[in-house]
Amino acid sequence: GAVVSQHPSRVICKSGTSVKIECRSLDFQATTMFWYRQFPKQSLMLMATSNEGSKATYEQGVEKDKFLINHASLTLSTLTVTSAHPEDSSFYICSAPANRGHEQYFGPGTRLTVT
Amino acid sequence: GDSVTQMEGPVTLSEEAFLTINCTYTATGYPSLFWYVQYPGEGLQLLLKATKADDKGSNKGFEATYRKETTSFHLEKGSVQVSDSAVYFCALSDGGDYKLSFGAGTTVTVRA
Repeated sequence: GAVVSQHPSRVICKSGTSVKIECRSLDFQATTMFWYRQFPKQSLMLMATSNEGSKATYEQGVEKDKFLINHASLTLSTLTVTSAHPEDSSFYICSAPANRGHEQYFGPGTRLTVT
Repeated sequence: GDSVTQMEGPVTLSEEAFLTINCTYTATGYPSLFWYVQYPGEGLQLLLKATKADDKGSNKGFEATYRKETTSFHLEKGSVQVSDSAVYFCALSDGGDYKLSFGAGTTVTVRA
């Protein structure tokens, strides 16, 4: 089946620094990828849609200048959390649709801790 | 807009008990419906899906039927195991953009 990977799985950074998270589709191409944020014991909140070759589409309330998304190729999307603050600490998850969109495959997630 | 309302947990069961997690939805079109499962320390995995009314999705002993008349997609399993302990998410996708709307998630703990 389709596999999506994320790197790193965990990252700790200091307040004010930037962190890049990678999302890769390993055995299929993805013109679209999605980035979610999951707070402890809560559901997934869609942050943005990453589109290969064009600008990302952000959900209402998500700061596009803070969460930079780049979909550089058909297998890679990156999320950069700029000038991170402790409130950005969260679990970030990416997904990509496959099989004509009827299924989405999720990465294992990245645990970001900002100190 | 689209939304999913899911029975909140946590739910604690004994092995071999019957599990039901209620899920209802609101959508403007004809959505596809999904159940995803998140095992401890892992990412989300698709458990089952249904793409049109009256379809029944099934996997690993779990079942859910797409009920358009009641806008529901309840998850059931007749006899749970300890290994079924996880967080279960009901979700829908409505439209060609493949976006998923998730329910709040239900934490299920099965005790031996």
